[in-house]
Amino acid sequence: QSVLTQPPSASGTPGQRVTISCSGSSSNIGSNYVHWFLVLPGTAPKVLIFRKNERPSGVPDRFSGSMSGTSASLAISGLRSEDEADYYCAAWDDSVNGVIFGGGTKLTVL
Amino acid sequence: EVQLVESGAGLVQPGGSLRLSCAASGFNFPIYWMNWVRQAPGKGLEWVANIKQDGSDKFYVDSVKGRFTISRDNAKNSLYLQMNSLRAEDTAVYYCASGQWAGDLDDWGQGTLVTVSS
Repeated sequence: QSVLTQPPSASGTPGQRVTISCSGSSSNIGSNYVHWFLVLPGTAPKVLIFRKNERPSGVPDRFSGSMSGTSASLAISGLRSEDEADYYCAAWDDSVNGVIFGGGTKLTVL
Repeated sequence: EVQLVESGAGLVQPGGSLRLSCAASGFNFPIYWMNWVRQAPGKGLEWVANIKQDGSDKFYVDSVKGRFTISRDNAKNSLYLQMNSLRAEDTAVYYCASGQWAGDLDDWGQGTLVTVSS
C-alpha cells in the first residue's frame, strides 16, 4: 500500500515557526483532503487539521494546514514545549480505495 | 460529546481469532463512515478498514484482506472487526474512528491492545 512521505524528524525552539511536509501523488493529496494528527506516547491520535484545512474546536490557531498540488504542509507557529510529539498526515487514495498515512514526523522542541 | 469506546483486547496465538467492538455515542452513528486504524508498538499509524453508513461498501488495507471483516450494527450504534488467521505483525493498538466521508477520521476512541504471540 502506498504511503505519504514525511520527514522523520523536525525541530525548533520555543516561539519559532516550524513546518512539516507531506508529499503524495495525484491519487491522494492531488484529489482528496489531507488530515493532520498529533500523537503523544500512549494516547489516542488527536485531530489537528481536517478536510479543507479546518481545525476542530479546541485546536489553537497556531496550527494551520496548506496544500499545493500533490503536497501538503502543517505549520506550527509560536512553538511550545507541549507541541513535542509525533505528527502524521493522511489522505484517501483513489487508486487503492483506502486511507494512507505518512510515516510520521517526530517534532522536538529544543 | 462524541464517545467511541473499543473493547475486545487480548492475547491470542498466531492463527487465532479475535473480535473487536466499538460502542459509539454522542452522535448520529448511522450517518457516519466508520474506520479501524492501528498502531503497532514503536510504529506509525496504519488504516485497516472502513465501512459505509449502511454497510454496503467496505474497504481494507491489502495486508488484512481475506482475514479481517468489518461490520456494523446501526441499531446498536456499534462497529466490529472480526480478525481471523492472526499474525504476529497484527499486534497493535486498534482504534475506531468516525468520519462524515470515506476518507475522514474525525473522532477517535482510546484504543484496544491486540497482542498476537505464542
